[in-house]
Amino acid sequence: DAKTTQPPSMDCAEGRAANLPCNHSTISGNEYVYWYRQIHSQGPQYIIHGLKNNETNEMASLIITEDRKSSTLILPHATLRDTAVYYCIVQGPGGGADGLTFGKGTHLIIQP
Amino acid sequence: GAVVSQHPSRVICKSGTSVKIECRSLDFQATTMFWYRQFPKQSLMLMATSNEGSKATYEQGVEKDKFLINHASLTLSTLTVTSAHPEDSSFYICSANMGRGSNQPQHFGDGTRLSIL
Repeated sequence: DAKTTQPPSMDCAEGRAANLPCNHSTISGNEYVYWYRQIHSQGPQYIIHGLKNNETNEMASLIITEDRKSSTLILPHATLRDTAVYYCIVQGPGGGADGLTFGKGTHLIIQP
Repeated sequence: GAVVSQHPSRVICKSGTSVKIECRSLDFQATTMFWYRQFPKQSLMLMATSNEGSKATYEQGVEKDKFLINHASLTLSTLTVTSAHPEDSSFYICSANMGRGSNQPQHFGDGTRLSIL
C-alpha cells in the first residue's frame, strides 16, 4: 500500500473551513484515497473516499490533485465536535480483503 | 447508525484471566473482519484478519496462541485474549466492510478498552 504523509497537528477556528492535506506520492493507479477520523476513545469513523475525481458528501469534500500525488480533506464549517485525529489512507489492491495501515494522522483541534 | 457492534466496551480483570471480545456486523454479512490494537497516544495497528469458516491471518509479531480469533458465522467474530497480562492492556477495535471491492470503506466498532490489573 502507498505510504501517506500528514502534518501531525492543525488548529482551526470554529465555523471556519478546515483543510487537511495528505501526500501520497507513490499511489498506484487503482488505489483509492480514504479518510477516516477517530474521536478520542472511539473507533474510527469513515468520512469519504475517492479515486481521481473530487468528491463531496454530507460530512466533507475531498480534493485530489490531477496527478493524484496529494489530496485535501475539507470540513466546510468546522465545529468543536470535529476535533479528532484524521487519517488519510490509501486502500491497497486487495480492496476490502485487506486490513488498513494507519499512519499517525493529523490531530485537528477546533478552537472556540 | 452503527453498522458494526463491539462488546464489551470496557473490561477490567485480573492478570491471568482470559477475555473474550465480540464483533458483530449489523444487517450485513462480513466474510472478513479485522482486529486492531491501539496503545495510548499511538495509532491503530492491525493484529489479524478474521476469515469466516477458516483460520485467521495474523500480522507479524502477533501471537496466534495468545490472541484467539473465531469467525464462526458471517456476522460474528470473536477475539479472546488468553491469560491476559498487564502488557495486554490496550484499546481493541474491530472492523468489517460490506464488500470486497477496493472502493468499499471499512466500518469500525466502538472499541473495547481492556485493563489488566
